[in-house]
Amino acid sequence: DTGVSQNPRHKITKRGQNVTFRCDPISEHNRLYWYRQTLGQGPEFLTYFQNEAQLEKSRLLSDRFSAERPKGSFSTLEIQRTEQGDSAMYLCASSLDGRIVDTIYFGEGSWLTVV
Amino acid sequence: AQSVTQPDIHITVSEGASLELRCNYSYGATPYLFWYVQSPGQGLQLLLKYFSGDTLVQGIKGFEAEFKRSQSSFNLRKPSVHWSDAAEYFCAVGASSGNTPLVFGKGTRLSVIA
Repeated sequence: DTGVSQNPRHKITKRGQNVTFRCDPISEHNRLYWYRQTLGQGPEFLTYFQNEAQLEKSRLLSDRFSAERPKGSFSTLEIQRTEQGDSAMYLCASSLDGRIVDTIYFGEGSWLTVV
Repeated sequence: AQSVTQPDIHITVSEGASLELRCNYSYGATPYLFWYVQSPGQGLQLLLKYFSGDTLVQGIKGFEAEFKRSQSSFNLRKPSVHWSDAAEYFCAVGASSGNTPLVFGKGTRLSVIA
């Protein structure tokens, strides 16, 4: 069990650029989640997948945010035309099977700074 | 809608003293409750969870939490705090079906002084 892996761990980008974060869940986990965390706040849910199906995306913050999990394994979160307000830590998490409640394991997070 | 309230933004305790972090939740059905810990710049590590059964649950690092349905609370406790416990602590609530994502509180930052 290598845990949930996220990269890059840190990204500094200029306003208006696009950024993409990658998440590799724990290998046998079918459910994958993306959260955002700003300073002084708890994680805020963005979207999640059951295998390759994106089951909830209405919480994505704007149409500049999109996520994919094309083969049901790794996932990417893309932010287009970044704004300074997008600066935050983006957390990925996975669980074995979302059809029943289960422990959710988090990665170390990807820090985004928009300058 | 689910919600979690952690009333204390910041708590300072002396090393060796006992600790209680408060968590109140709002949820219409049977809640599934979690405590996570986050060190600066790091991801979240699960301390303990309550799904059903015994309302007093034991976790890692000597932590425990008690589920009190009548008070809608799930407070985290530790009898003797170590300096390495200094971190941010998050309470979260989830649904039994797993189809509703975890909702987190805003966290309580724990400082430990000598």
